[in-house]
Amino acid sequence: DQQVKQNSPSLSVQEGRISILNCDYTNSMFDYFLWYKKYPAEGPTFLISISSIKDKNEDGRFTVFLNKSAKHLSLHIVPSQPGDSAVYFCAASLNRDDKIIFGKGTRLHILP
Amino acid sequence: DTEVTQTPKHLVMGMTNKKSLKCEQHMGHRAMYWYKQKAKKPPELMFVYSYEKLSINESVPSRFSPECPNSSLLNLHLHALQPEDSALYLCASSLYRASEKLFFGSGTQLSVL
Repeated sequence: DQQVKQNSPSLSVQEGRISILNCDYTNSMFDYFLWYKKYPAEGPTFLISISSIKDKNEDGRFTVFLNKSAKHLSLHIVPSQPGDSAVYFCAASLNRDDKIIFGKGTRLHILP
Repeated sequence: DTEVTQTPKHLVMGMTNKKSLKCEQHMGHRAMYWYKQKAKKPPELMFVYSYEKLSINESVPSRFSPECPNSSLLNLHLHALQPEDSALYLCASSLYRASEKLFFGSGTQLSVL
């Protein structure tokens, strides 16, 4: 049973526009959420995170929104740049379990 | 130094071979991880070492044997692997806990013939 779901396998966005990547989760006990970015033949790179006690965290062009009642989080990238083309993984953790659970990923294509 | 270094980058081995994957970090992180990733799938946790002790084994077959010689090094010993074990093997570290951000290495692309 997938606890972290990214229902869009891929997304194409025009350069300069906003990219919105979505993630849903089923376990209301998750207390920390993270986004990772992955280029081919490289390991994932941490992008941004949010604690379950917050509803928004911003870092430069990247903003993560958390809606706990809907068990939904989203990553906004604005403006989108060519280097943002990658696979984005949503992840969630339970502090007590010391594990991170990854979603299946969304491949983002930034179009010129 | 904010890197996790994995060697080798690529490995081809037969089903009767014994090989080892190596991982190194010098960030003072006390937790280290092995993940397995198949194409178009998310990383799957295999093992967690916390303060050089194995804390999580996600029911991984015994043909995979992890070792943590010291706080900077993590090895994964491979023996009698199957073709379905072909995957990208990722090492990661974090300061204390997996719920903090993970720093990943570039991985070892393993092919089992």
